[in-house]
Amino acid sequence: AQSVAQPEDQVNVAEGNPLTVKCTYSVSGNPYLFWYVQYPNRGLQFLLKYITGDNLVKGSYGFEAEFNKSQTSFHLKKPSALVSDSALYFCAVRETNTDKLIFGTGTRLQVFP
Amino acid sequence: AAGVIQSPRHLIKEKRETATLKCYPIPRHDTVYWYQQGPGQDPQFLISFYEKMQSDKGSIPDRFSAQQFSDYHSELNMSSLELGDSALYFCASSRWGKRGSGELFFGEGSRLTVL
Repeated sequence: AQSVAQPEDQVNVAEGNPLTVKCTYSVSGNPYLFWYVQYPNRGLQFLLKYITGDNLVKGSYGFEAEFNKSQTSFHLKKPSALVSDSALYFCAVRETNTDKLIFGTGTRLQVFP
Repeated sequence: AAGVIQSPRHLIKEKRETATLKCYPIPRHDTVYWYQQGPGQDPQFLISFYEKMQSDKGSIPDRFSAQQFSDYHSELNMSSLELGDSALYFCASSRWGKRGSGELFFGEGSRLTVL
């Protein structure tokens, strides 16, 4: 069965520093990979996705993610963190021919001024 | 741009009561998904509909049912409510569902509290 793992419950970063939020996946076949962000008491907002093609995917708000097939990873990155980036980040995977989007347990990003 | 609309945003019910949540997808989206997110948990897939037919089924309890109507809006009906049903319920929509590779667009959620 497909799954994603987010090994860090929380990531703390100083404003202006680069950030990385980790995600590894396990699927049979080709994965569709996604990152979503959730602010308190809000819905999930789509950040970016990997379907096929370039391993480096650029998304909203300056975020990007690198797909690494050999390491089965899809880490979220941003060169310079903002305090307003503080939120809960979910990695998700979907196999082809299913509707089911499987979410990781989420990583809380805290950016300090 | 229009987003996914969910109503009500907040709902308080007693045990064993029933509740109905509504979802209006983004215009031209033909697929609707329902997710349940418990406190401090990741969203869990409940059920999805494509072109008004059930498409995929996840961990939806037998006490729950859902449907998608001709105007593509969807309703999630929950009966014999239990304390453990207290959660944030998200609706999401997309185009072409499993046939596409598109992302899901989520609504703001309906918070159900069962007392």
